[in-house]
Amino acid sequence: AQKVTQAQTEISVVEKEDVTLDCVYETRDTTYYLFWYKQPPSGELVFLIRRNSFDEQNEISGRYSWNFQKSTSSFNFTITASQVVDSAVYFCALSENSGYSTLTFGKGTMLLVSP
Amino acid sequence: DAGVIQSPRHEVTEMGQEVTLRCKPISGHDYLFWYRQTMMRGLELLIYFNNNVPIDDSGMPEDRFSAKMPNASFSTLKIQPSEPRDSAVYFCASSLGRDRVSFAKNIQYFGAGTRLSVL
Repeated sequence: AQKVTQAQTEISVVEKEDVTLDCVYETRDTTYYLFWYKQPPSGELVFLIRRNSFDEQNEISGRYSWNFQKSTSSFNFTITASQVVDSAVYFCALSENSGYSTLTFGKGTMLLVSP
Repeated sequence: DAGVIQSPRHEVTEMGQEVTLRCKPISGHDYLFWYRQTMMRGLELLIYFNNNVPIDDSGMPEDRFSAKMPNASFSTLKIQPSEPRDSAVYFCASSLGRDRVSFAKNIQYFGAGTRLSVL
């Protein structure tokens, strides 16, 4: 069975600080997909990134970067120079390759960025 | 392009009443998902459809919940009778399932959600 653990329930930082959100996953599939979604205070779920299990290259998009390490089953998300607009709940999710396109979500990490 | 559209955005009803939540997926997407989000249980998959056919409804909490997808552009989630413990945010999402070239799992795009309060 697949499982996603986001051990950090809530993180508070001051603007311009860097912050890393942790995600650890469990799966028996050798091919799988990892995702991050953002849920701002307005409530919608916004897709941020998808990563395939066979591509361990780190990804950078502006102030966002993702570190995927199969050896530790982790897919961590770093925000550099955080801003107040980054305040949201961030969800990590896993989809195994076998079967249909279901997602298993972690419990989410609430990030509070204060000015 | 329009994203996934859900209605209503907010619903307040009294215990025992019937509630119907609506979803219009992204045009061309062949998978549709219904999720429920609560503080206690997080995001849970309730049911999903492929090409309008229900594939897995094992997440539907009980017989009071039902979902339909009469055509590729519309789905409903109905609760009858509603109970206070059904209060939650209900999300609809759609996707293409798999990329036709790489066969990679595709991205699920979510609607804005319906916040349901059952008094």
